[in-house]
Amino acid sequence: DTGVSQDPRHKITKRGQNVTFRCDPISEHNRLYWYRQTLGQGPEFLTYFQNEAQLEKSRLLSDRFSAERPKGSFSTLEIQRTEQGDSAMYLCASTRQGTTYEQYFGPGTRLTVT
Amino acid sequence: RKEVEQDPGPFNVPEGATVAFNCTYSNSASQSFFWYRQDCRKEPKLLMSVYSSGNEDGRFTAQLNRASQYISLLIRDSKLSDSATYLCVVTVDSSYKLIFGSGTRLLVRP
Repeated sequence: DTGVSQDPRHKITKRGQNVTFRCDPISEHNRLYWYRQTLGQGPEFLTYFQNEAQLEKSRLLSDRFSAERPKGSFSTLEIQRTEQGDSAMYLCASTRQGTTYEQYFGPGTRLTVT
Repeated sequence: RKEVEQDPGPFNVPEGATVAFNCTYSNSASQSFFWYRQDCRKEPKLLMSVYSSGNEDGRFTAQLNRASQYISLLIRDSKLSDSATYLCVVTVDSSYKLIFGSGTRLLVRP
């Protein structure tokens, strides 16, 4: 399968715990985006990378959130000290700069904070 | 005010019907425009890009009105498989980050 993959698909955690999600983009895609989607809403932009550089972070991304893309390939999104309000679907998307900029989404990681 | 606004619906239509969705965007500097489709508990998938000249893909027609800052999607001859949430999306800068509306839910009944 050459699409975007995300792991885990589901995560249930207790409030206050740390969680980390992984995204593997399509191999030749140099841009990688993270979005968050809550029930009844469209996805909201969190951050994006061009290669290994994190070029923009949304104001939604509090200091409890950190994202990395160390070698310009896969990316991780970590949430520290989770809160119930962090419960959402976390979506990763990738694209190749200079093409049509169509973003291909992974299946998402559904986080439930209890 | 949200950057992209859509009627949440649901639009409940019989098979074979024609249905139209509109959305409005607030940033006049918006650069690119799209309709994405999202099935229940699945990821969004690009349905079509939207151009000022309008574009058609089979039963789907999209229009962009930059002066009024609205985007439309017309679905002709609705199929049961068209049941989904349709997300209106814009980009505003060179990041190409997607700015989504909340989506319009379509239910096509037999």
